[in-house]
Amino acid sequence: AQSVTQLDSQVPVFEEAPVELRCNYSSSVSVYLFWYVQYPNQGLQLLLKYLSGSTLVKGINGFEAEFNKSQTSFHLRKPSVHISDTAEYFCAVAFYNQGGKLIFGQGTELSVKP
Amino acid sequence: EAQVTQNPRYLITVTGKKLTVTCSQNMNHEYMSWYRQDPGLGLRQIYYSMNVEVTDKGDVPEGYKVSRKEKRNFPLILESPSPNQTSLYFCASRSVGENYGYTFGSGTRLTVV
Repeated sequence: AQSVTQLDSQVPVFEEAPVELRCNYSSSVSVYLFWYVQYPNQGLQLLLKYLSGSTLVKGINGFEAEFNKSQTSFHLRKPSVHISDTAEYFCAVAFYNQGGKLIFGQGTELSVKP
Repeated sequence: EAQVTQNPRYLITVTGKKLTVTCSQNMNHEYMSWYRQDPGLGLRQIYYSMNVEVTDKGDVPEGYKVSRKEKRNFPLILESPSPNQTSLYFCASRSVGENYGYTFGSGTRLTVV
């Protein structure tokens, strides 16, 4: 069965340091890829998505992600984080062969410390 | 403004008392779905609908019902809520084509006591 795995449940990092949040999925079929952010007590906000084309995708708030088809990964990166980036981040994958069903990873809590 | 509207935002209810969470979208999307979010589990799909009168189970459908009588509305029904349905619920609709993506509602935090 298709699945999405976020490899780190919690990532603590100091302000202005770089960060990478990892996401892998298991599928041999074509996919669309998404990263969402959820601030405390709020809903889901789309950070970025990959549908086709360039494998390096730039999103809002200085985030970017790279689609690696051979590794079936879609890691999220930011070169310098701010306190305001503290939030939970979800990777999600839509699988073509399941009618585009969107499957989420378990989430990664990013905690930015001063 | 294109949006998915869920109501209510917060709900506390007692075990066994039927409730409905409403979801409405104004984007003429055919596909809609419901998710529940629980700590450490991410979001899991409860039910989805490909179009009017076409619904199907997701990964965690037990204890839930849905209906899709009109394109814009996709209510989630808990006929006999239990404490293990305490969760944060999200409704979503999907656009296709070049702008493929999902629009989520603001969420409904349900507590069943």
